[in-house]
Amino acid sequence: GAGVSQSPSNKVTEKGKDVELRCDPISGHTALYWYRQSLGQGLEFLIYFQGNSAPDKSGLPSDRFSAERTGGSVSTLTIQRTQQEDSAVYLCASSLDFSSTDTQYFGPGTRLTVL
Amino acid sequence: AQSVTQLDSQVPVFEEAPVELRCNYSSSVSVYLFWYVQYPNQGLQLLLKYLSGSTLVKGINGFEAEFNKSQTSFHLRKPSVHISDTAEYFCAVTERAFGAQKLVFGQGTRLTINP
Repeated sequence: GAGVSQSPSNKVTEKGKDVELRCDPISGHTALYWYRQSLGQGLEFLIYFQGNSAPDKSGLPSDRFSAERTGGSVSTLTIQRTQQEDSAVYLCASSLDFSSTDTQYFGPGTRLTVL
Repeated sequence: AQSVTQLDSQVPVFEEAPVELRCNYSSSVSVYLFWYVQYPNQGLQLLLKYLSGSTLVKGINGFEAEFNKSQTSFHLRKPSVHISDTAEYFCAVTERAFGAQKLVFGQGTRLTINP
């Protein structure tokens, strides 16, 4: 079956612009996670969804970052007024259930470059 | 707070040689432990995970890891590596009681296999 897909695969934007990153989880997966992979910080957890609800938003780096999930499926991560330090690969993952033991399946990521 | 330390940022080995990638974690609570592999320009793929029971965990591609609670370690091993094992390897931890798999990753170890 299809895995986790993310779009776009690459995004180049100018400082100050807003960007939207999209994640399509595996069909039927109720949990969805966003991570950021950057040279300076490594892999960081950003936010997770149980269904359409995000119980803990404390991992988001600043109030310029927001995320939503609709219909228990697609999720978008929005970064407003992008800064150069936002440049990174943004990874999305999904798992069958909302459990600390379930396997997370990762998408290929969106590489964001802020000029 | 949890943290993960991967002691080696790069490990070069010859093909068919054994390899060990080291991982130590710090946590005040019980945790689950994971190893992920990232091939160039791809997302993360789960190699293996320790949830409970036997401390020796076998994963895909001939890898195994041993959970050592007293040393707070979860080292990854393979008795004979192949060129195709060239990739970056990430150790990760999540709290058992958290209720979701909020993965905390190490900085990664780049494994390079030389012919």
